Amino acid sequence: AQSVTQPDIHITVSEGASLELRCNYSYGATPYLFWYVQSPGQGLQLLLKYFSGDTLVQGIKGFEAEFKRSQSSFNLRKPSVHWSDAAEYFCAVSFKGFQKLVFGTGTRLLVSP
Amino acid sequence: DGGITQSPKYLFRKEGQNVTLSCEQNLNHDAMYWYRQDPGQGLRLIYYSQIVNDFQKGDIAEGYSVSREKKESFPLTVTSAQKNPTAFYLCASSTGTGDHEQYFGPGTRLTVT
Repeated sequence: AQSVTQPDIHITVSEGASLELRCNYSYGATPYLFWYVQSPGQGLQLLLKYFSGDTLVQGIKGFEAEFKRSQSSFNLRKPSVHWSDAAEYFCAVSFKGFQKLVFGTGTRLLVSP
Repeated sequence: DGGITQSPKYLFRKEGQNVTLSCEQNLNHDAMYWYRQDPGQGLRLIYYSQIVNDFQKGDIAEGYSVSREKKESFPLTVTSAQKNPTAFYLCASSTGTGDHEQYFGPGTRLTVT
């Protein structure tokens, strides 16, 4: 079965420091990959997505992610974290012909002053 | 403004009562989804619908029911058969044509006591 792993439940980063959130998926087909962000008590907002082409994708709020097929990974990065980035981040995957998204369990980002 | 509306934001019910959560979208999307979110478990798919008058069970459909009589509406009923209904419920929609990007509503927090 398809699955998505986000190995870090919580991450704390100092404001201004760089950030990398990890995401790995399982399945052999070419994936459609997504990163969503959720503020407490709110819905999910799409940060970025990868369908094909350039494996480094840019998203909103200064985020980027890189698809590495050999590692089945789609890690999210930001060069300098702001206090407003504190939220929960979800990686999700789907595939051609598959009408559902499979979500990881999320990583909660805390930003320290 | 196009988007997804969920109402109410907070809902309280006594055990043994059925309750219906509203989800409306004006994005002209064909596909709609209901997810349940519990701390540490990510998003789990309850039901989804790719077209009016048709819907499929997701991973945790037991104790829930849905209808899709109109393209823009996909209400979820939490029945008394759902053993642990207290959770945050998220509705989403997508074009359903294969790009799989889902747009989320703000969520409804249901508390059953």
